Amino acid sequence: QQQVKQSPQSLIVQKGGISIINCAYENTAFDYFPWYQQFPGKGPALLIAIRPDVSEKKEGRFTISFNKSAKQFSLHIMDSQPGDSATYFCAASTTPGGADGLTFGKGTHLIIQP
Amino acid sequence: GAVVSQHPSRVICKSGTSVKIECRSLDFQATTMFWYRQFPKQSLMLMATSNEGSKATYEQGVEKDKFLINHASLTLSTLTVTSAHPEDSSFYICSARDPSFGNDEQYFGPGTRLTVT
Repeated sequence: QQQVKQSPQSLIVQKGGISIINCAYENTAFDYFPWYQQFPGKGPALLIAIRPDVSEKKEGRFTISFNKSAKQFSLHIMDSQPGDSATYFCAASTTPGGADGLTFGKGTHLIIQP
Repeated sequence: GAVVSQHPSRVICKSGTSVKIECRSLDFQATTMFWYRQFPKQSLMLMATSNEGSKATYEQGVEKDKFLINHASLTLSTLTVTSAHPEDSSFYICSARDPSFGNDEQYFGPGTRLTVT
């Protein structure tokens, strides 16, 4: 049973455009929702994370929107750049920092075209 | 700060042999470390959680006798794949966290590519 569903599987965006990746979860006990960026052959790196007590969090060009009632959250990358081309994973945990481990979505392969 | 290393980065072994992968937190004490497995172009799947000085907690479906995890110190956790088979070939990634940082972040290592021939 996949607890975190991520879409789209792949995404192509023109340079300067907005990249949007969506995730939906089922477990209402999830309390921590991070997004990770992964380059080929490397481990994931935390981009931005949100707790359910806020509906939006912005850090630079990256914004998380969170809809608790719909059990959905999304990542928006503004002014997308070729260097943003990577695989992005949403994740969720029932504890802050994922103390009980993280449940990952299947990932989105993002390509930013120059 | 908050750097996690893994060694080796790549390893090739023959079927039936055992392989040990190390995960180290270089500049912080990791009270908790996690081991994930990632197949090509797939997501990360949590295998087990280890707390320093105690036995690891394995996720459902992960064979604890096949994937031995030791977290003997606050900076080192090891994953030993015993009697490896080709289906164990995968990308193994560890992560670590230190609650004293005051944040919610897990810091991931660069991963180890295991190929079993």
